[in-house]
Amino acid sequence: GAGVSQSPSNKVTEKGKDVELRCDPISGHTALYWYRQRLGQGLEFLIYFQGNSAPDKSGLPSDRFSAERTGESVSTLTIQRTQQEDSAVYLCASSLASTASLSFGPGTRLTVT
Amino acid sequence: GENVEQHPSTLSVQEGDSAVIKCTYSDSASNYFPWYKQELGKRPQLIIDIRSNVGEKKDQRIAVTLNKTAKHFSLHITETQPEDSAVYFCAATSTMYSGGGADGLTFGKGTHLIIQP
Repeated sequence: GAGVSQSPSNKVTEKGKDVELRCDPISGHTALYWYRQRLGQGLEFLIYFQGNSAPDKSGLPSDRFSAERTGESVSTLTIQRTQQEDSAVYLCASSLASTASLSFGPGTRLTVT
Repeated sequence: GENVEQHPSTLSVQEGDSAVIKCTYSDSASNYFPWYKQELGKRPQLIIDIRSNVGEKKDQRIAVTLNKTAKHFSLHITETQPEDSAVYFCAATSTMYSGGGADGLTFGKGTHLIIQP
């Protein structure tokens, strides 16, 4: 079946502009995560949605970052007033809550010039 | 919250030898421990996982061990092959969600495994 999809695959933006990244999780997956991965680095947790529970926003690095999720489907990660240090691959992952086994999307490579 | 430490950050082994990657976790409530493999330029993929009701799990050349008392778990790869070269991430979580918040997976920083021909 279809896996996790993300769009765009690549985004180049100028410093100070806002960007919106999209994630379409696997149908039926109630849990959705956003991670940031800088070049050659590990997975940095950003935010986690689980069903109707309040999202865990503890990983968002600043108030320039926000994320929304519509029900148990699409999620968008918004970065306002982008900075060069925001350049990274942003990975989305989803899972069935009962197994917690994650399926990752292909990522969005964000470059802030 | 959970804190996961992973060692080593880089591991180089000769083809055919075994590789061991170790992780420790801090939250005694954690009960699910997956391992992900990320090849260069690709997304992480689950390769094996273990739950706290077992101490070891094997899948062909890959095995994971869990010591709940010491709060550490390890990935073992035997008879390593060139295609095993990748970054490996361990993770931990409790599948018992608390209150109104949500507890997600916490990842280690990754181990870059290099298989020398």
